[in-house]
Amino acid sequence: GAGVSQTPSNKVTEKGKYVELRCDPISGHTALYWYRQSLGQGPEFLIYFQGTGAADDSGLPNDRFFAVRPEGSVSTLKIQRTERGDSAVYLCASSLRREADTQYFGPGTRLTVL
Amino acid sequence: DAKTTQPPSMDCAEGRAANLPCNHSTISGNEYVYWYRQIHSQGPQYIIHGLKNNETNEMASLIITEDRKSSTLILPHATLRDTAVYYCIVRDRISGGSNYKLTFGKGTLLTVNP
Repeated sequence: GAGVSQTPSNKVTEKGKYVELRCDPISGHTALYWYRQSLGQGPEFLIYFQGTGAADDSGLPNDRFFAVRPEGSVSTLKIQRTERGDSAVYLCASSLRREADTQYFGPGTRLTVL
Repeated sequence: DAKTTQPPSMDCAEGRAANLPCNHSTISGNEYVYWYRQIHSQGPQYIIHGLKNNETNEMASLIITEDRKSSTLILPHATLRDTAVYYCIVRDRISGGSNYKLTFGKGTLLTVNP
């Protein structure tokens, strides 16, 4: 079946702009996760959704970052007033039901802030 | 902090078995060993996981030592397409706590040579 999809695959923006990154999880997966990967590093946890609610947003670096999942499927990661340090690959993953289930990742969105 | 230790890089000849080690000496009784890989410019790909018994699937085999302090991922016949960073992760699969936060280290860059 279809895996996790993310759009856009690449996003270039200017410092100070607002961006939205979209994630479509595997159909039927209720748990959704966002991670961020800087160059040369492993992915780092940002936020976890169970259904529509954010169960844990402790990994979001500051209040410029926000994520939603209004209908319990597609999720959008929103970044306000982007900074050059936000440049990274943003990865989305989903798992079937419980947070203990195996997570499957999407291809990521490469964000470049000029 | 990552709970695992992996060599930063390894080389393997095409067609030969690739054996990737991972040390997880502080693993607890409820923690599973997971392996993901990340091919350049792609999202992490789930490979296999196990608790204490050896596991095999269509991608790889996972050998866990009897004391569970280390494990080896085996790709039986490596191909050029297996060139990737391989991550060994330990996580608790019991619901509750923050076991959904996958903690990636820097992994092992496996280069398969022709």
